[in-house]
Amino acid sequence: DAGVTQSPTHLIKTRGQQVTLRCSPKSGHDTVSWYQQALGQGPQFIFQYYEEEERQRGNFPDRFSGHQYPNYSSELNVNALLLGDSALYLCASSRSGFEQYFGPGTRLTVT
Amino acid sequence: AQSVTQPDIHITVSEGASLELRCNYSYGATPYLFWYVQSPGQGLQLLLKYFSGDTLVQGIKGFEAEFKRSQSSFNLRKPSVLWSDAAEYFCAVGGYGNKLVFGAGTILRVKS
Repeated sequence: DAGVTQSPTHLIKTRGQQVTLRCSPKSGHDTVSWYQQALGQGPQFIFQYYEEEERQRGNFPDRFSGHQYPNYSSELNVNALLLGDSALYLCASSRSGFEQYFGPGTRLTVT
Repeated sequence: AQSVTQPDIHITVSEGASLELRCNYSYGATPYLFWYVQSPGQGLQLLLKYFSGDTLVQGIKGFEAEFKRSQSSFNLRKPSVLWSDAAEYFCAVGGYGNKLVFGAGTILRVKS
């Protein structure tokens, strides 16, 4: 049984560019949450998708947007990248609100 | 406001010694509590969770945690630490179906 998978593993972008990160949830899971983990900090909640809609959102600007597909996979899009967006982006999946299982993350570096 | 405090940024223990990592939370409703472990450059692995019932919960890798509502605490313990337990540990709180709020983490170093 495959766990949560994320792609790409690493990414380097330039300020002002746009980036798309992808996540496939664990089999049987229908809810996907995204978190940003800056160096030396705990993960911060970005948003959560359920039934293809954004169900909750953390304190992140509109530059951060997402999507969930009918197969429950999800994307995180970040526009107009800033140096401060450099972080590990973690995707977590769950089954209708039960415990969240995390993927390995995507390391985004903005130069 | 929801928050989690992990008072210890770093803890160093000798292999074979006991371990306790502290976690205090603030949450307005019935909390769901979690401990995750993260190895360098990796994602988070769920160690254990508390939803309701018995306040002492057992997890993977020999870890356990005790929920104390009166102290708003959910401390993680292990009776005998292995060298392979060295990692960063995060406590998190959330409601059913809700976002998780994480603490800043505690880095565990194990001396051989």
